[in-house]
Amino acid sequence: EAEVAQSPRYKITEKSQAVAFWCDPISGHATLYWYRQILGQGPELLVQFQDESVVDDSQLPKDRFSAERLKGVDSTLKIQPAELGDSAMYLCASSLASDYTQYFGPGTRLTVL
Amino acid sequence: GEDVEQSLFLSVREGDSSVINCTYTDSSSTYLYWYKQEPGAGLQLLTYIFSNMDMKQDQRLTVLLNKKDKHLSLRIADTQTGDSAIYFCAERKANQFYFGTGTSLTVIP
Repeated sequence: EAEVAQSPRYKITEKSQAVAFWCDPISGHATLYWYRQILGQGPELLVQFQDESVVDDSQLPKDRFSAERLKGVDSTLKIQPAELGDSAMYLCASSLASDYTQYFGPGTRLTVL
Repeated sequence: GEDVEQSLFLSVREGDSSVINCTYTDSSSTYLYWYKQEPGAGLQLLTYIFSNMDMKQDQRLTVLLNKKDKHLSLRIADTQTGDSAIYFCAERKANQFYFGTGTSLTVIP
């Protein structure tokens, strides 16, 4: 069964450092999502791509976060500089289209010291 | 997000039925979902229901939807220790997903 891949699974960094997370969606899925999940809470959408275009980044802290999906396939989420409050699980999901069911990857657990 | 509400904790004995409840916000939501998250892992889609349905059954899982009250429930029959996890309901509206805070289910052997 096809799965969403994410790497790394765990990342520990010091505040003010740069971090990057990678996501490879299920093949053929045009829509890709990045979510942040703070411990004890549900996922919150950071950015949504349709192919290579951003369709919603209203909740993305653009002063420090950036996301790209240059060829409309895999995607990278970057944080620079990382802050203590960025410690969370970062989840990637994909769907065939924006009105279809989302499938999630295993997530990247970020700890900022 | 967007005030999709769930109770935080539920404990049941192995073999009993579990019922996890969710109240969502928008009666125009088209699909409602249940996801399962095990410790340190991503979200696994369990089941979903279209808003014009009242009930959906899938093996041990039964989803009930009360659209008038905007209430969704997930019943797990014959709950097993492997069902211990956090369960999230989510509503889809305007092609965005809004998740509840999750219900932590503990199954006692």
